[in-house]
Amino acid sequence: QVQLQQWGAGLLKPSETLSLTCGVYGVSLSGYYWSWIRQSPGTGLEWIGEINHSGITNYNPSLKSRVTISVDTSKNQFSLKLSSVTAADTAVYYCARAIVWARYFDLWGRGTLVTVSS
Amino acid sequence: EIVLTQSPGTLSLSPGEGATLSCRASQSVSNSYLAWYQQKPGQAPRVLIYGTSRRATGIPDRFSGSGSGTDFALTISRLEPEDSAVYYCQQYGNSPPLLTFGPGTKVDIK
Repeated sequence: QVQLQQWGAGLLKPSETLSLTCGVYGVSLSGYYWSWIRQSPGTGLEWIGEINHSGITNYNPSLKSRVTISVDTSKNQFSLKLSSVTAADTAVYYCARAIVWARYFDLWGRGTLVTVSS
Repeated sequence: EIVLTQSPGTLSLSPGEGATLSCRASQSVSNSYLAWYQQKPGQAPRVLIYGTSRRATGIPDRFSGSGSGTDFALTISRLEPEDSAVYYCQQYGNSPPLLTFGPGTKVDIK
């Protein structure tokens, strides 16, 4: 069954680094772009960035200075790191698969609530 | 950056009625790169329409998409209670690569 399973710490203190991983099951990483998207009441859905199986990345300019997305093809998974988090980074974080030619998301993880609080 | 604006913010309708949701872009969007999603509480978004007018797998033909340039629409005919959700449009621009979502339209079917 094709699915994305995501995991990572759900509670962080300000200035810490957010770290999430998305396992890809039932499909190869090849041929798609793999994204991280977050959603908070204040900012709605926000695309964070993407990576393909070769490690080519694109980032949202608003977050680029703090974001690193990486891929591990041996484990069929990809990861997100967001540094120097603040309360504004509190959100539900989703991993998702994008169809390359049309750049829409046809497969999503269930989401991880990340709360930043001192 | 292309900014998407959606209207109306909220729609309250009855079963059997139709709805047209608008998505307006601050700059022209390629028809290939405009998609619509449905999101219910506690769930991830689900794609309904991609490439402006192509229905995703398993989406009933009550859902249709149209538009070009800066004006796009999602039309839902014969509304059912299960259509209660928030609907988002999303675009992709490639110079530089950037995906953005609209703020959403909440549809309430009573």
